[in-house]
Amino acid sequence: GAVVSQHPSRVICKSGTSVKIECRSLDFQATTMFWYRQFPKKSLMLMATSNEGSKATYEQGVEKDKFLINHASLTLSTLTVTSAHPEDSSFYICSARDGFSSYEQYFGPGTRLTVT
Amino acid sequence: QKEVEQNSGPLSVPEGAIASLNCTYSDRGSQSFFWYRQYSGKSPELIMSIYSNGDKEDGRFTAQLNKASQYVSLLIRDSQPSDSATYLCAVTQLNNDMRFGAGTRLTVKP
Repeated sequence: GAVVSQHPSRVICKSGTSVKIECRSLDFQATTMFWYRQFPKKSLMLMATSNEGSKATYEQGVEKDKFLINHASLTLSTLTVTSAHPEDSSFYICSARDGFSSYEQYFGPGTRLTVT
Repeated sequence: QKEVEQNSGPLSVPEGAIASLNCTYSDRGSQSFFWYRQYSGKSPELIMSIYSNGDKEDGRFTAQLNKASQYVSLLIRDSQPSDSATYLCAVTQLNNDMRFGAGTRLTVKP
């Protein structure tokens, strides 16, 4: 199956700082990438959808100025959590889809963010 | 009504038994259906996709789709303790948005 990597896998930062998470599709072209967050024992929550070269589409209630998403190439999308607060601590997962060939989404391994 | 509904469980089956996981969806125009497995603390892993009515088998897994009833299921034969995880049903709508159910937690007891 298709491989999606995410970096870093785990990050601890201080309140008020910004954190960038990278998501890469390693063996396919990701026309669309998705960013999710997940709290312990809760379901996936879609934050935003990004198409390569376009602005991301954010889900209702997700602040676009706080969660900056860039999808500049067919293999890379980044999520920057700006001015992080402890309530931003969560498991952030990206997924990618090759829209040229299928509807299947492949997930990265996730990034566990802890804001102190 | 939620777009994709699953029984949250937990569903507990003995080792070697068949585990049956069910999912219903609300958008009658949905075209693509997926099952993901998520171990605790890990990200989801795609295990099955199904696009047309009927059964699709892959090893110990069988996905079943009934578009008329808006129902998709996953059967796991000869369940193993390593199958213990949360299983997410996902449905792609006409606008290509994928919607996930909340997941069913499966425990396979040795």
